Amino acid sequence: RKEVEQDPGPFNVPEGATVAFNCTYSNSASQSFFWYRQDCRKEPKLLMSVYSSGNEDGRFTAQLNRASQYISLLIRDSKLSDSATYLCVVNRANTGNQFYFGTGTSLTVIP
Amino acid sequence: ETGVTQTPRHLVMGMTNKKSLKCEQHLGHNAMYWYKQSAKKPLELMFVYNFKEQTENNSVPSRFSPECPNSSHLFLHLHTLQPEDSALYLCASSQDGVTQYFGPGTRLTVL
Repeated sequence: RKEVEQDPGPFNVPEGATVAFNCTYSNSASQSFFWYRQDCRKEPKLLMSVYSSGNEDGRFTAQLNRASQYISLLIRDSKLSDSATYLCVVNRANTGNQFYFGTGTSLTVIP
Repeated sequence: ETGVTQTPRHLVMGMTNKKSLKCEQHLGHNAMYWYKQSAKKPLELMFVYNFKEQTENNSVPSRFSPECPNSSHLFLHLHTLQPEDSALYLCASSQDGVTQYFGPGTRLTVL
């Protein structure tokens, strides 16, 4: 079983729509959780960390459900510039700082 | 953003060549990573170094040889590569596994 699983999409949504991405992780010892964004032919960049209580950054909201080993990302009022691949990432404390990446979910926001 | 730099940004090499990729991080982090990203595939972890010591070698062929002379510099020495090794090679750093920052990558083409 993969460490991190995501629906690869693609998600094609109109501007202004709300879109949600889901991610599951297999190891209950996972400790830190992140969403990264990767634009075409560029490196991944941290979008936001995900905290147990859930956190919001502008139009972006991240949720963590440890019991279900599930992470989500909600994007409200989608902009054209949100088009990218969104990577779910987890880290376990006992793996020497090793990060586990999902395959990414592709989002295209359409005018 | 110059936290993690990589050179060269693009590299074309023949199968008999020897070349090296360089990564430098200016963030004072204690862990550095090499990843491979092939077209339409997820990030594949290759090597992890913590405090200059290699802590992970993810079954990488010996034609890839990492070197970490200090906690700020990481090299990936390449020799007798195959065309299927063509990919984007990404370097990253982190501090205690909190957040990972990526360099811009080296786009490698093996002829």
